[in-house]
Amino acid sequence: DAGITQSPRHKVTETGTPVTLRCHQTENHRYMYWYRQDPGHGLRLIHYSYGVKDTDKGEVSDGYSVSRSKTEDFLLTLESATSSQTSVYFCAISDGQGGPVQYFGPGTRLTVT
Amino acid sequence: SQQGEEDPQALSIQEGENATMNCSYKTSINNLQWYRQNSGRGLVHLILIRSNEREKHSGRLRVTLDTSKKSSSLLITASRAADTASYFCATDKRNTPLVFGKGTRLSVIA
Repeated sequence: DAGITQSPRHKVTETGTPVTLRCHQTENHRYMYWYRQDPGHGLRLIHYSYGVKDTDKGEVSDGYSVSRSKTEDFLLTLESATSSQTSVYFCAISDGQGGPVQYFGPGTRLTVT
Repeated sequence: SQQGEEDPQALSIQEGENATMNCSYKTSINNLQWYRQNSGRGLVHLILIRSNEREKHSGRLRVTLDTSKKSSSLLITASRAADTASYFCATDKRNTPLVFGKGTRLSVIA
């Protein structure tokens, strides 16, 4: 998976609790992305980062925040998890915007009960 | 939205047959990429075609792009059971994030 790890790989949490997912890369790529994948919706972009402390919103950013204090780490936080945030979350990296290929992590399966 | 739409949603073929998947999109693009996702895994890049290209090959993969029709096709020749996966197209405009379609589920029966 191109030097990308995600933690945890599986998590079950209760509605209303905060949750943080971590993406770690060893490729020194500038861009990092968080997606969620749901049946019938494909892959949807939540937030992305184009450098340390530089982030922007994606298509489905409501209810999520991100932080990037180091090149290698990109954190996704659900401040107060809801059942609608039950999903599989993927992190991806690339060394540019647009054309360059994205490399994906193995995913985190999050269940909010 | 420039989101690609893959067609068909699901495809089942016999081993050795060719598989064709299509992707249509709504707005002008800079590049179009195809990705594969095996069950329970992350997406893996297969091939990228630029808006000024019409056809690209990579091993058993052939991708075409028709910008006048805003569509692309992915052909997998002589399919194998290991090709069983979901296939996604992704489009971008210059300096914008990729936008993924909903995918085609391919089942190759041995």
